[in-house]
Amino acid sequence: DGGITQSPKYLFRKEGQNVTLSCEQNLNHDAMYWYRQDPGQGLRLIYYSQIVNDFQKGDIAEGYSVSREKKESFPLTVTSAQKNPTAFYLCASSADRVRDQPQHFGDGTRLSIL
Amino acid sequence: SQQGEEDPQALSIQEGENATMNCSYKTSINNLQWYRQNSGRGLVHLILIRSNEREKHSGRLRVTLDTSKKSSSLLITASRAADTASYFCATGAGNMLTFGGGTRLMVKP
Repeated sequence: DGGITQSPKYLFRKEGQNVTLSCEQNLNHDAMYWYRQDPGQGLRLIYYSQIVNDFQKGDIAEGYSVSREKKESFPLTVTSAQKNPTAFYLCASSADRVRDQPQHFGDGTRLSIL
Repeated sequence: SQQGEEDPQALSIQEGENATMNCSYKTSINNLQWYRQNSGRGLVHLILIRSNEREKHSGRLRVTLDTSKKSSSLLITASRAADTASYFCATGAGNMLTFGGGTRLMVKP
């Protein structure tokens, strides 16, 4: 079955530590996205990538970094510069070359501070 | 600020009743999409309506779009306890989406 896999499901970060969230898709989608969701809120865009080796900042990129070395993978690093990282992180993908496409989501990673 | 704003923020109904959620937005769009999120899970796409469409149906879901009022509504008919979830509208420009804050729907058995 095609889909998006996020791991781990739960992650804990110590003070001053960088952590990396994994996102893998086998939908052959060109575009991938990272969102942050705070309790009771909507989604805010962190980074997106429309093609391998290229990515763009979203609305809240500060304190985060990404890479897109393979079409299937779009890992997100939450750096120590992100002072309030506790949130639910969602990865999504879409078939970018066709207009008006829905986004397909993984089941998220919940990040907490130790 | 968010492009889409849902109303109400929370809705509680009895099984069998209809649920209506509204979404307002501010700028021009290519499409408007509705997503569902069960607690602690990712979002699931429900329905997409293009800017030149006025109404769309999918099973028990009915979506309307009024571009002159910059608003959309999602109607779930004959609701079930399994419909309990948060529902988000998202406005599309290109393939970028901007999400609203969501409506939390509770359907009591």
